[in-house]
Amino acid sequence: GQQVMQIPQYQHVQEGEDFTTYCNSSTTLSNIQWYKQRPGGHPVFLIQLVKSGEVKKQKRLTFQFGEAKKNSSLHITATQTTDVGTYFCAGRTSGTYKYIFGTGTRLKVLA
Amino acid sequence: DVKVTQSSRYLVKRTGEKVFLECVQDMDHENMFWYRQDPGLGLRLIYFSYDVKMKEKGDIPEGYSVSREKKERFSLILESASTNQTSMYLCASSPPLEGGNTEAFFGQGTRLTVV
Repeated sequence: GQQVMQIPQYQHVQEGEDFTTYCNSSTTLSNIQWYKQRPGGHPVFLIQLVKSGEVKKQKRLTFQFGEAKKNSSLHITATQTTDVGTYFCAGRTSGTYKYIFGTGTRLKVLA
Repeated sequence: DVKVTQSSRYLVKRTGEKVFLECVQDMDHENMFWYRQDPGLGLRLIYFSYDVKMKEKGDIPEGYSVSREKKERFSLILESASTNQTSMYLCASSPPLEGGNTEAFFGQGTRLTVV
């Protein structure tokens, strides 16, 4: 079945450093979403990518969708303590309603 | 403000009990989902529903069933709770695929402990 892997599982960075998490699917995706879950909270939608090679930015966050639509990345520039949490990707294949979530990357930012 | 509400934040049940987890959304969404979240495993889909009385198995449906009698309510049932079902359970809803943006809205989660 479809699998979505995320690396790294954990990342500790100093405040001000950059951070990247990578998402890889075993199958070609129709679209991919990214979510953020703060400690003790629930996942909150960040963005959706649909097109091959798409790049979207939200302030310090840059999201990319691979040309083959099988991988994606989230890059945070100059991390802040408010970026702490777990970041999940979620991919959907054509013809299905369901999204398969990645295993998540837990980010810790040291002040 | 859009809302997905789960009936309990914390729940402790005994092995063998029948457990009901309730989820209600106020966004008139067609799609509703039940996930469980375990450390290192991310969110795993248990069941989802794309319409009233319609349901499909996710990746880990064993030991669970669901009910969707009304559009706004999606219930997860543990027929006979076992200790390996101790987990965080998350309900979500989303608009139909045809709309383009299929952002999922999550409830606050139910932390279930089976003793």
